[in-house]
Amino acid sequence: GAGVSQSPSNKVTEKGKDVELRCDPISGHTALYWYRQSLGQGLEFLIYFQGNSAPDKSGLPSDRFSAERTGGSVSTLTIQRTQQEDSAVYLCASSLHGTGREQYFGPGTRLTVT
Amino acid sequence: QKEVEQNSGPLSVPEGAIASLNCTYSDRGSQSFFWYRQYSGKSPELIMSIYSNGDKEDGRFTAQLNKASQYVSLLIRDSQPSDSATYLCAVNPEGGSYIPTFGRGTSLIVHP
Repeated sequence: GAGVSQSPSNKVTEKGKDVELRCDPISGHTALYWYRQSLGQGLEFLIYFQGNSAPDKSGLPSDRFSAERTGGSVSTLTIQRTQQEDSAVYLCASSLHGTGREQYFGPGTRLTVT
Repeated sequence: QKEVEQNSGPLSVPEGAIASLNCTYSDRGSQSFFWYRQYSGKSPELIMSIYSNGDKEDGRFTAQLNKASQYVSLLIRDSQPSDSATYLCAVNPEGGSYIPTFGRGTSLIVHP
């Protein structure tokens, strides 16, 4: 079956511009996570959605970052006024609620801020 | 602060050998544990999950969990060059929070 998809795969933007990153989770997966991975670094948790519950935004690094999930499916991560330190790979993962939380990752979006 | 520690490596093993990857965690109440494989330039891929003490085998992979000692390990038997990747350990905390803590990963190199 289809896995987690993300778009775009690559995004180059100028400092100060806004960007939107999209994640389409595995059908039926109610949990959705966003992570950031800088070059050679570990995974940094950003935000977690579970069903219709309020998202856990505890990992968002600043108020320039926001995310929404529409209809319990597709999610969009928005970064406003991008900075060079935002350059990283942004990974989305989905998980089937109640199954121990095994996560299935999308291919990621590589964001480069120039 | 919940921590998951892994030796960054690289761990270098010859083809056909057993590779042993280790992970320790600080949250004694952690309930579920995962190993992900990440090839260079790719996203993490789930390879094993384990929830109770002891061993869990899946093909060439064996996950071992010891909650008393707060460590989880991954053994890869008959290592192949295609196993060369970074292996991430992830731990779910207790209390129903389903935001796992990931280790920084161990780089494994299997040389012919």
